[in-house]
Amino acid sequence: RKEVEQDPGPFNVPEGATVAFNCTYSNSASQSFFWYRQDCRKEPKLLMSVYSSGNEDGRFTAQLNRASQYISLLIRDSKLSDSATYLCVVNLPSNDYKLSFGAGTTVTVRA
Amino acid sequence: NAGVMQNPRHLVRRRGQEARLRCSPMKGHSHVYWYRQLPEEGLKFMVYLQKENIIDESGMPKERFSAEFPKEGPSILRIQQVVRGDSAAYFCASSPASGDREQYFGPGTRLTVT
Repeated sequence: RKEVEQDPGPFNVPEGATVAFNCTYSNSASQSFFWYRQDCRKEPKLLMSVYSSGNEDGRFTAQLNRASQYISLLIRDSKLSDSATYLCVVNLPSNDYKLSFGAGTTVTVRA
Repeated sequence: NAGVMQNPRHLVRRRGQEARLRCSPMKGHSHVYWYRQLPEEGLKFMVYLQKENIIDESGMPKERFSAEFPKEGPSILRIQQVVRGDSAAYFCASSPASGDREQYFGPGTRLTVT
C-alpha cells in the first residue's frame, strides 16, 4: 500500500466553483501534514500546513481526520490561476525531514 | 535572497554515461535533500545531507547512485552508467540548520536517458 494516495483527477471546474478532494495516508504515526502545489511539473511549493483543528488560508481550507487517516483540501471561488496539481504530503516524527508525497490531484479551472 | 538553484535544468545522457546534477541551497541553509519524480508518480525521497555528512540515504538505489555535499560548493547527485529507467525529474530542497524545517525546492533537473 502506498504511503500517501490521492485521486489523480482531473477535476475540471468553472471559475467561481468550489472544488474539494482528499488524500489518505497509511501510517497512523504520521504527525505533520501539508498541501503543496506543483505547476506543470515545476518545483513543488508549499500551499499550507494542515493542523489538527483544520485551518483556512483565504479561499483554501484544509482538514485533517486522524481517525480515518485522510486530509482534505477545499478551494472556494476557484480562479484560473488555481489550475495546478495539488500534492498531499505527510511525514513521520521519527524522520521529520523525509517528506512522503502523493502523486497529486490535478485541478483545471476553466473560464 | 536567491532560492535553491539547480543545474543543469535539462540533461540528456546516453545509456552507460554518467550524470552529475548540482544543487546550491538557499543562502543560510545547510541541509539538503534530494527527491526523484518519475512520470505520473509522486516525489520520492532519496537522500538527506548536511555539510560533509550523509545523514540518511535510505531512498538511494544501492548501486550507481551517490551524493555528496562538500564543505565548499554545491551538493552533487551522481548517477553512473545511466539506464533508461533513470529518466526522471530530480528535485533538490534545502532547509535551515535549525528551527524551521520547511523544505524549499529548486526548479529540478530533468534527466533524459536515450
